[in-house]
Amino acid sequence: EAGVTQFPSHSVIEKGQTVTLRCDPISGHDNLYWYRRVMGKEIKFLLHFVKESKQDESGMPNNRFLAERTGGTYSTLKVQPAELEDSGVYFCASSQDPRVKYFGPGTRLTVT
Amino acid sequence: QKEVEQDPGPLSVPEGAIVSLNCTYSNSAFQYFMWYRQYSRKGPELLMYTYSSGNKEDGRFTAQVDKSSKYISLFIRDSQPSDSATYLCAMIEDDKIIFGKGTRLHILP
Repeated sequence: EAGVTQFPSHSVIEKGQTVTLRCDPISGHDNLYWYRRVMGKEIKFLLHFVKESKQDESGMPNNRFLAERTGGTYSTLKVQPAELEDSGVYFCASSQDPRVKYFGPGTRLTVT
Repeated sequence: QKEVEQDPGPLSVPEGAIVSLNCTYSNSAFQYFMWYRQYSRKGPELLMYTYSSGNKEDGRFTAQVDKSSKYISLFIRDSQPSDSATYLCAMIEDDKIIFGKGTRLHILP
């Protein structure tokens, strides 16, 4: 069975540009999460989807970040416009049992 | 005070040694305690989770939780070079994972 996949693996953009990250969860997993690790910090929660609905977006840093989950399948996370402090590794995770989350390999975002 | 404190290391031990990794936490409401392993350029992989205080063993790995001290540990017996990775302790709060910073572990052949 395929795991959680994320695209792209690495993105380098200039400040002010837009970037869209994609996550494909494990098939059948209703729960989808986005997390982020900024350099030198812990991995931190961004938001949680249950199917296509946002269950909790308390970790989203500001309104430059927009997450969607079309039809309860894949999810996208758009950053517009990107700022330097948005650089980090963005992880997606999916689960059926909330205690057991399967993480993707992450997208490394570099904003220059 | 950070919710979860974890020594970032690096920790280097010879192959075959017993490894002890530890975390402390501040929120007494945490119920589920987990250890993740993360290899370079990969996502975190759940190793073990435990509920409340006590020990849980899985092969060479033992997770220990002491809620009275707010202290959790992961022991790795007969360590192998393939165990070299970053180990993250984590707790669940309202379905969100609260991670420690992770400890980088190097097993020397």
